[in-house]
Amino acid sequence: DAGVIQSPRHEVTEMGQEVTLRCKPISGHDYLFWYRQTMMRGLELLIYFNNNVPIDDSGMPEDRFSAKMPNASFSTLKIQPSEPRDSAVYFCASSISGGTNEKLFFGSGTQLSVL
Amino acid sequence: QKEVEQDPGPLSVPEGAIVSLNCTYSNSAFQYFMWYRQYSRKGPELLMYTYSSGNKEDGRFTAQVDKSSKYISLFIRDSQPSDSATYLCAMSGRSGGGADGLTFGKGTHLIIQP
Repeated sequence: DAGVIQSPRHEVTEMGQEVTLRCKPISGHDYLFWYRQTMMRGLELLIYFNNNVPIDDSGMPEDRFSAKMPNASFSTLKIQPSEPRDSAVYFCASSISGGTNEKLFFGSGTQLSVL
Repeated sequence: QKEVEQDPGPLSVPEGAIVSLNCTYSNSAFQYFMWYRQYSRKGPELLMYTYSSGNKEDGRFTAQVDKSSKYISLFIRDSQPSDSATYLCAMSGRSGGGADGLTFGKGTHLIIQP
């Protein structure tokens, strides 16, 4: 299993531009999570999906952020327009429900720099 | 008061030393406690998982939970340079420790000096 795959690994863009981050979860996993990590705030949950349906987006900071999961094997996180304060590492993670040990599997992240 | 508090470090110790990493929390509903390890430029990976109070051992790693004090610890014996990473505690009050209900600490940066 290739694990959770994120692209791109690095993204450098200018303020005001649209940014799209992509994620392919582990096959068979029914939960998908988007996190943002910064030194100041640590790991923050932005939004998560269950069976492709958004369940909780209360962590999405502003309307500039949106996420979609059109099918079980693909999700996107979009920022439009981007701002310098959006600079962070964005992680996608997936998990499978059931059992007594619901383990999160993280991708390697996308390092976003907004200039 | 934040729900989960964790000293960011860095914590630097010589190779072979016993390492103690800790988190405190305020939410008494937390029952599932986890430690994630994160290497530089990588995503976190689950290292230890415990339910309620008590100890759990896995090789050189021991996780300890004291719910009465709202305090959890991770001990690393015979520490190795390869243990150098950031260690994040995570906890949940959801049944099964549901991944949809995790609260993370900010992480402690650990450096093991050869």
